[in-house]
Amino acid sequence: GNSVTQMEGPVTLSEEAFLTINCTYTATGYPSLFWYVQYPGEGLQLLLKATKADDKGSNKGFEATYRKETTSFHLEKGSVQVSDSAVYFCALFRSNDYKLSFGAGTTVTVRA
Amino acid sequence: EPEVTQTPSHQVTQMGQEVILRCVPISNHLYFYWYRQILGQKVEFLVSFYNNEISEKSEIFDDQFSVERPDGSNFTLKIRSTKLEDSAMYFCASSGRGARTGELFFGEGSRLTVL
Repeated sequence: GNSVTQMEGPVTLSEEAFLTINCTYTATGYPSLFWYVQYPGEGLQLLLKATKADDKGSNKGFEATYRKETTSFHLEKGSVQVSDSAVYFCALFRSNDYKLSFGAGTTVTVRA
Repeated sequence: EPEVTQTPSHQVTQMGQEVILRCVPISNHLYFYWYRQILGQKVEFLVSFYNNEISEKSEIFDDQFSVERPDGSNFTLKIRSTKLEDSAMYFCASSGRGARTGELFFGEGSRLTVL
């Protein structure tokens, strides 16, 4: 079945540090891959997505590249801010069943 | 900006009691979902709803669960007789055309605690 495994947290960083959150997936076919983010007190929000191999999704300084050869979709940001403190969820979507399969989430705390 | 709203934000109930979690999806969306996250575990799909009927449900969504869209705006999840293991954060989501690409809009979640 479809599954997503992401790096366990929590992750604590200083401002301007480099952030990487690893995500790998298992799926048949060609899923779309997503990163969703949940800021404190808010719902899950789509951060970025990639729909095919070698696509790079980017938003708010975050990037992730769909790597089919390593079945990975690692999230990166070169210089984090306190406002990036949130829980980040990697997710996989297959259009034949319209379901998102999520990872467990990684809590990121950025300190000033 | 349109958003999905959920009530209550937190509910505490006794085992065996019925619980209804409410959601107001974004008004022009057609696809509706419930997901849940047990503390420390993955966000899990429960059910999807389209055209006034369930389109898909997971093995978690047994006979104790039901969903309704009683009017044009609300989308509810009912748990008939809660169990301790139903304690979780429940997320409602809706989608328009983005349903075909996985772009869902989520609410803030309703935390259910079963004692």
